[in-house]
Amino acid sequence: GQQLNQSPQSMFIQEGEDVSMNCTSSSIFNTWLWYKQDPGEGPVLLIALYKAGELTSNGRLTAQFGITRKDSFLNISASIPSDVGIYFCAGQTSNSNSGYALNFGKGTSLLVTP
Amino acid sequence: NAGVMQNPRHLVRRRGQEARLRCSPMKGHSHVYWYRQLPEEGLKFMVYLQKENIIDESGMPKERFSAEFPKEGPSILRIQQVVRGDSAAYFCASSRRPKNTEAFFGQGTRLTVV
Repeated sequence: GQQLNQSPQSMFIQEGEDVSMNCTSSSIFNTWLWYKQDPGEGPVLLIALYKAGELTSNGRLTAQFGITRKDSFLNISASIPSDVGIYFCAGQTSNSNSGYALNFGKGTSLLVTP
Repeated sequence: NAGVMQNPRHLVRRRGQEARLRCSPMKGHSHVYWYRQLPEEGLKFMVYLQKENIIDESGMPKERFSAEFPKEGPSILRIQQVVRGDSAAYFCASSRRPKNTEAFFGQGTRLTVV
């Protein structure tokens, strides 16, 4: 599968701070997704992006699909302790009605101190 | 409305034994995807199945691994003659339509090979 580079690898912030993480690829993707994974659990979808340039919000989370279609970022505003977890980006090369593989980044581990 | 159910949650096998991982999709979902997650890594796609059919197995190792999704019952990921390198978390996801960008993940099965 295509290689996704996700950064930073980890973040340690104080409650109330804003957070930004990003994902880049050497390949073009048609879909970008952002997931959160809590310890011992499966990933939960946060935001899905389907069009280059698209900017989408979900509460305190905002994500954008890069114009080049090779990158995406996720911002979390006013972080709270329950934001702790690992955030994964994932990309897919086709939107066709077929189960093409999702390619995942290695994750950004977020720690929030009260 | 139960989510994707995976069992067992934890599985310990000795080298050379067989591991059978089960995944019951959400009600009304007929598309199942299996992923493997190594420690501190992102998820790697393994296989995509519809009822009684394997659609995409491009991520499955060529030997010892097999998957099925019978007409009745859960999807099964089977690993024969396990080796230490098979130790990982295995996640299943399901979707109503053939779009894995709309899939919900289970809590995973943590396989440890001793």
